[in-house]
Amino acid sequence: QVQLVESGGGVVQPGRSLRLSCVVSGFTFSDNGMHWVRQAPGKGLEWVGGVSYDGSNQYYADSVKGRFTISRDNSKNTLYLEMSGLRTEDTAVYFCAKMAVAFSFFFDFWGQGTLVTVSS
Amino acid sequence: EILMTQSPVTLSVSPGERVTLSCRAGQSVSSNLAWYQQKPGQAPRLLIYGASTRATGIPARFSGSGSGTDFTLTINSLQSDDFAIYYCQQYNNWLQSTVTFGQGTRLEIK
Repeated sequence: QVQLVESGGGVVQPGRSLRLSCVVSGFTFSDNGMHWVRQAPGKGLEWVGGVSYDGSNQYYADSVKGRFTISRDNSKNTLYLEMSGLRTEDTAVYFCAKMAVAFSFFFDFWGQGTLVTVSS
Repeated sequence: EILMTQSPVTLSVSPGERVTLSCRAGQSVSSNLAWYQQKPGQAPRLLIYGASTRATGIPARFSGSGSGTDFTLTINSLQSDDFAIYYCQQYNNWLQSTVTFGQGTRLEIK
């Protein structure tokens, strides 16, 4: 069965960096675009960005552009989210999500999320 | 960025009833609209994509309709498992890197 497991969350000070990982199984990782979506405590969903199936294209929300980098290692079935210059407003649960269909940014499988808390 | 507005914010209904949730886009998103269900402490679950196509394994009591700027999610014969938060999401403008979610509608047991 399809599984996505995020890791790497924790408490970090403002301005610092953090890298999240998402290890997947149960489908051909290298065939699918992958994305990150976050959810601040008690709030709604916010798309963070995504990467194409081969890693050649990345897409970012304006709120994270220039600070966050999305990459993937298809040999390890792993998606990454490198976050730098973290702000308190980046505090959220970060979900990785699999694109359901090529060229359509909606998501049919999600991980359970990892919590990132940005606080001094 | 395309603003997605859901209404109502909260809906109190009884099991067995039929409910309609609304989602309005700030500009046309064609049929590039998805609906998700999220329960506390869980990841979102895809219900509907392409405005009206049920995702794999989604019961027939869930249906979606609409195009352009106005969309609805209808749930017939509500079951206890359906009480959750529902989000719409547009994916019409992905080339410009704008994917946006509505703020959600909370479905509560009356």
